[in-house]
Amino acid sequence: EDQVTQSPEALRLQEGESSSLNCSYTVSGLRGLFWYRQDPGKGPEFLFTLYSAGEEKEKERLKATLTKKESFLHITAPKPEDSATYLCAVTWGNYQLIWGAGTKLIIKP
Amino acid sequence: DTEVTQTPKHLVMGMTNKKSLKCEQHMGHRAMYWYKQKAKKPPELMFVYSYEKLSINESVPSRFSPECPNSSLLNLHLHALQPEDSALYLCASSQEGGGSGNTIYFGEGSWLTVV
Repeated sequence: EDQVTQSPEALRLQEGESSSLNCSYTVSGLRGLFWYRQDPGKGPEFLFTLYSAGEEKEKERLKATLTKKESFLHITAPKPEDSATYLCAVTWGNYQLIWGAGTKLIIKP
Repeated sequence: DTEVTQTPKHLVMGMTNKKSLKCEQHMGHRAMYWYKQKAKKPPELMFVYSYEKLSINESVPSRFSPECPNSSLLNLHLHALQPEDSALYLCASSQEGGGSGNTIYFGEGSWLTVV
């Protein structure tokens, strides 16, 4: 079954403590992998789109990478304002987004 | 700031009411979407409009009725909802639809409470 799995479910870090979130997928013929950030009660905010293995994109303290089986969202020296739920989703074939369950990130000052 | 604008931000309605959620985008996108999101769950696709025509209806109950008046506007008409329909309703848009790999941009959402 085609699916997207995110790990961990939740991650608590101290401010400045770098870490990575994982998104693994089992679809074939990937058309795109997307990372979103979602704050409580708000819509998902687009972060990155990755299309092919080996691709990397950066934005401020965030860096997203893609392999043939998974994507990582690396967070360098996070700040409390980086606390949010991070969602991964993929598209393939003619289907719409297939979502992971998300990782809730908490950065403590 | 999101370029997909949704109104209202909050809506409380009774089970016999008729109300509408509205969405507007000015990015020239040709695909627009309605999603429903429950707490601690990812968004669930409801409808997709591509070039102003309904292309996907994910078996949504008829008490939800979408409308796309033009390429920039998307409405969701609500009638005779149930308390379990209470959720965050998200509008989104992309340059093209159909799993093309284009990025989907979301609005801030409309919080719906059915009493």
